[in-house]
Amino acid sequence: QVQLQESGPGLVKPSETLSLTCTVSGGSISSYYWSWIRQPPGRGLEWIGYIYYSGSASYNPSLKSRVTISLDTSKNQFSLKLNSVTAADTAVYYCARSYSSSPSDYWGQGTLVTVSS
Amino acid sequence: QPVLTQSSSASASLGSSVKLTCTLSSGHSSYIIAWHQQQPGKAPRYLMRLEDSGSYNKGRGVPDRFSGSSSGADRYLTISNLQSEDEADYYCETWDSNTRVFGGGTKLTVL
Repeated sequence: QVQLQESGPGLVKPSETLSLTCTVSGGSISSYYWSWIRQPPGRGLEWIGYIYYSGSASYNPSLKSRVTISLDTSKNQFSLKLNSVTAADTAVYYCARSYSSSPSDYWGQGTLVTVSS
Repeated sequence: QPVLTQSSSASASLGSSVKLTCTLSSGHSSYIIAWHQQQPGKAPRYLMRLEDSGSYNKGRGVPDRFSGSSSGADRYLTISNLQSEDEADYYCETWDSNTRVFGGGTKLTVL
């Protein structure tokens, strides 16, 4: 069974760069879309962006100027970088898998990232 | 891009049924959606893929009590024989070329 696991710092200072990695186990990273999704405390889900196994990426227009998603197929990992963070970026960050024109069917357990000095 | 609208809350009694609604924005009534369940303190869990025809495919291990249906731009999630563990937030999701969108979520309380 496919499993996803987020990892990275739980605390980031304002104006710095948030960096997270999602490790995929139990399946190949090929042929799928790999998303980052976040959830501020007490609020709903927000799609950040995804990367296709070929390396092409697409981002939420509201975050596009600050986001980069990359892929390391040799490690079965994909990563998120969000720069110039503020307190508004404090959230639980999830990674998820989807197939072409299909739902996000596997999710990581999520990791809380707090932006604070 | 599509917008998904959900009621913020719903409630129903233990053992009864409840029908949650996700409404697609104008011009997107044919879109396929997905339903996800998020129990308190947990990650979202994929429940089902639901087409405009009302046809649905459930995720692995999703109980028979969960079913989907559609009418126009509305997509429904029906939970029968409500259990205490069904108390959760329910989100719908859809996708377009190069984007994915979530509804605001419905908080379901089991009385």
